[in-house]
Amino acid sequence: SQTIHQWPATLVQPVGSPLSLECTVEGTSNPNLYWYRQAAGRGLQLLFYSVGIGQISSEVPQNLSASRPQDRQFILSSKKLLLSDSGFYLCAWSGAGGTNEQFFGPGTRLTVL
Amino acid sequence: GQNIDQPTEMTATEGAIVQINCTYQTSGFNGLFWYQQHAGEAPTFLSYNVLDGLEEKGRFSSFLSRSKGYSYLLLKELQMKDSASYLCAVRGLSTDKLIFGTGTRLQVFP
Repeated sequence: SQTIHQWPATLVQPVGSPLSLECTVEGTSNPNLYWYRQAAGRGLQLLFYSVGIGQISSEVPQNLSASRPQDRQFILSSKKLLLSDSGFYLCAWSGAGGTNEQFFGPGTRLTVL
Repeated sequence: GQNIDQPTEMTATEGAIVQINCTYQTSGFNGLFWYQQHAGEAPTFLSYNVLDGLEEKGRFSSFLSRSKGYSYLLLKELQMKDSASYLCAVRGLSTDKLIFGTGTRLQVFP
């Protein structure tokens, strides 16, 4: 069966510090991978989307970046965090064919102080 | 533009039936999804509609009318554990990306 992991679960970082969040998927190959952010009381905002290694689509302008160094690894980064980067970050994957629903990881709660 | 609307909050009583509506305006349509999200947790997949009509899965059913840009999620025999946010999401054409609504927070009272 497929599983998706994210770490860390929670993170408190000062403004201006760097960020690296990691997501890995097991039990599937060549998944589509997604990074979302959910601010308090708001919906899911798609940040990045990847259909393969090294292929990243950015959905919104921001100070975040994403990379996919391996087929089942997706990394979200920032060189300098802003207060507005606080939120709940969710990684998701989907396969090809069928309903192609997205499956979400457990999320990382980031607080920037 | 693309827009998905859901009520912000709803309340219901244990054992009752509740209907959560979702209307959408998107450039192309290739499926509508409902997700459940408990506070502080990740969303979990509930249902998928791509053709008009009702899809039933246990206590949960989802309906779609493509001509009206409308869907609803029906929850029967409500339980306390059904207290959660319910997210409506639409997939456009030639893409696997989803556009999410802001979610409906449902509170079930005894």
